[in-house]
Amino acid sequence: AQSVTQLDSQVPVFEEAPVELRCNYSSSVSVYLFWYVQYPNQGLQLLLKYLSGSTLVESINGFEAEFNKSQTSFHLRKPSVHISDTAEYFCAVSGKSGYNKLIFGAGTRLAVHP
Amino acid sequence: GAVVSQHPSWVICKSGTSVKIECRSLDFQATTMFWYRQFPKQSLMLMATSNEGSKATYEQGVEKDKFLINHASLTLSTLTVTSAHPEDSSFYICSGLDRNTEAFFGQGTRLTVV
Repeated sequence: AQSVTQLDSQVPVFEEAPVELRCNYSSSVSVYLFWYVQYPNQGLQLLLKYLSGSTLVESINGFEAEFNKSQTSFHLRKPSVHISDTAEYFCAVSGKSGYNKLIFGAGTRLAVHP
Repeated sequence: GAVVSQHPSWVICKSGTSVKIECRSLDFQATTMFWYRQFPKQSLMLMATSNEGSKATYEQGVEKDKFLINHASLTLSTLTVTSAHPEDSSFYICSGLDRNTEAFFGQGTRLTVV
């Protein structure tokens, strides 16, 4: 079984400042890792994912996350945030075998202020 | 990316009635679909996993007779909330799994039972 812990429920930050959203996971098997973003009253959009290979993965809108196996972490970072990045961010994990159901963290509300 | 269409986006129903939510994968075949429930300001909780042509697998604590899931084709899964009560009011989200292990999410359905 897997579990995900997102250490911060809310992260306020000023526009153009850097941000890190923390995610730690627990699993007895090898996993895939994901970050999803959710805007109000909408479904989830995949931001980035780690399946294998390079431990640093990037999204097209400037976010990046690094898989750290020894620390069982997959923190999300952006060097300079925009107002439009304000949303709920979910870290998720799935096992590499079976039917790959996603287990989500509690979510982190990123609030970017001008 | 692939598209999952979920309908309706919002619905209000009277207590005791049933509501059906549809989830369609528009440009890929989803042999597996997941149904999640999300309470305000909380994470997504997996309710059940459905595989095309077979019975859904429900997570612990989810009443299978109350939340009927049908996955009759590779592009359509439905969730029927039977005899709905106010405590069933929530945001329901489906996702379809493609062959590349990526889950694509519907836009969600806001159910309000009055």
